[in-house]
Formats: sequence, structure tokens, C-alpha cells
Amino acid sequence: QKEVEQDPGPLSVPEGAIVSLNCTYSNSAFQYFMWYRQYSRKGPELLMYTYSSGNKEDGRFTAQVDKSSKYISLFIRDSQPSDSATYLCAIGASGGNQFYFGTGTSLTVIP
Amino acid sequence: DADVTQTPRNRITKTGKRIMLECSQTKGHDRMYWYRQDPGLGLRLIYYSFDVKDINKGEISDGYSVSRQAQAKFSLSLESAIPNQTALYFCATSELAGGPTEQFFGPGTRLTVL
Repeated sequence: QKEVEQDPGPLSVPEGAIVSLNCTYSNSAFQYFMWYRQYSRKGPELLMYTYSSGNKEDGRFTAQVDKSSKYISLFIRDSQPSDSATYLCAIGASGGNQFYFGTGTSLTVIP
Repeated sequence: DADVTQTPRNRITKTGKRIMLECSQTKGHDRMYWYRQDPGLGLRLIYYSFDVKDINKGEISDGYSVSRQAQAKFSLSLESAIPNQTALYFCATSELAGGPTEQFFGPGTRLTVL
């Protein structure tokens, strides 16, 4: 069983839509949760980082963590064509040395 | 200038050849990582290093070796390349901390093994 599973997509939405991206994980020891964004032909870049259950907002982006269900989500409000990218979730454990990445969800926002 | 650089950016080679991918960073981070990215499989950790004298195997180290020449340099070698090592390879760095921290990725090296 993989440490983290991510909806593969691809996802295509009209500009202005609300986007929901999701991952599940298997080990309750994981306490650190990240979302990376990767544009075509680029390396991933950190978008959101949280280590507690609940919601964390940053502009149009909201990261949500439900530790009881081992489920994390990234919501994008008022999606823009510039949001078109692959989004990867990553999880890590306290005291651990590495993150485990999801397979990524490809998102296209159509103008 | 980019904080994490990788050379070469693209490489086509033949089965059985030895290949070295290089990574340099100016972020002053102690931790460095090598990943490969494949469609449908995501990012998988090959090796990681927490300082010059520390090298650790990741999830998929078979067929690869690494060298940490200095704090700023971390090289990945394929001693005898095979076609299923065709992938996008990323180097990453992170700060030394008590737990997982943000990783900063290079631009990637696209490797094709014929």
C-alpha cells in the first residue's frame, strides 16, 4: 500500500470555478502536510504547508486536513488559467526525514 | 540566478553507458535529495544526504549511486543505464530542522535511455 494516494485526474474546469484536489494517507504518524505546484517543464514549488487538522487559507487557496479520516484537500477559489499545473500532495512524519509525494493531479483551467 | 541548478537539463544515452547528473545549490542547505518522476508514479526518492558524510538510500536506489562532494554539490550516477531509467530527475534541498521542512527543487534533468 502506498503511503499516500492522490486522485490522478486530469481535471479540466472553466475559469472562475472552485477546484478541489484530494489525497488520502495510510499512516496516522504523518503530521506534516504540503501541497506543491508544478508547472510544465519546471520543478515543484511549495504552495501550502500545514501540520494541524482544520483549514489554512492563503489568498484563493485553502488547505484542509482531516487527521481522523487521513484525508487532505486543496481548494482553489476563482480559478485562473495561470493555475493550470500539476498539484502534488506531500506528507511527512514528526521526527522523520523525508516526505512522501502523491502522484499528482493535472489541472487545466479553461479561459 | 537559480538557487538549485541541475546539469545537464536533457540527456539522451544508450543502454549500458555510465551517466552522471549533477546538482549544485546556493541556498546553504545541509540536506539534499535526488528524486525521479514518472507519469502515474509521481516523485520517488532515490537517495538523500543530510551532510557531506551522510548518505541514505531512498525508496528506489537500485541501479543508482550518489556522491556528496561538498555541502553545495550532490551528484547522481547511473553506472550502467537501462531503458527503464528513462525519467525526469529532480534534485532538491532543505534546511536542517527537527522535522520535515520545505524542499526546494531544481529545474529537472530529462534523461532518455535508448
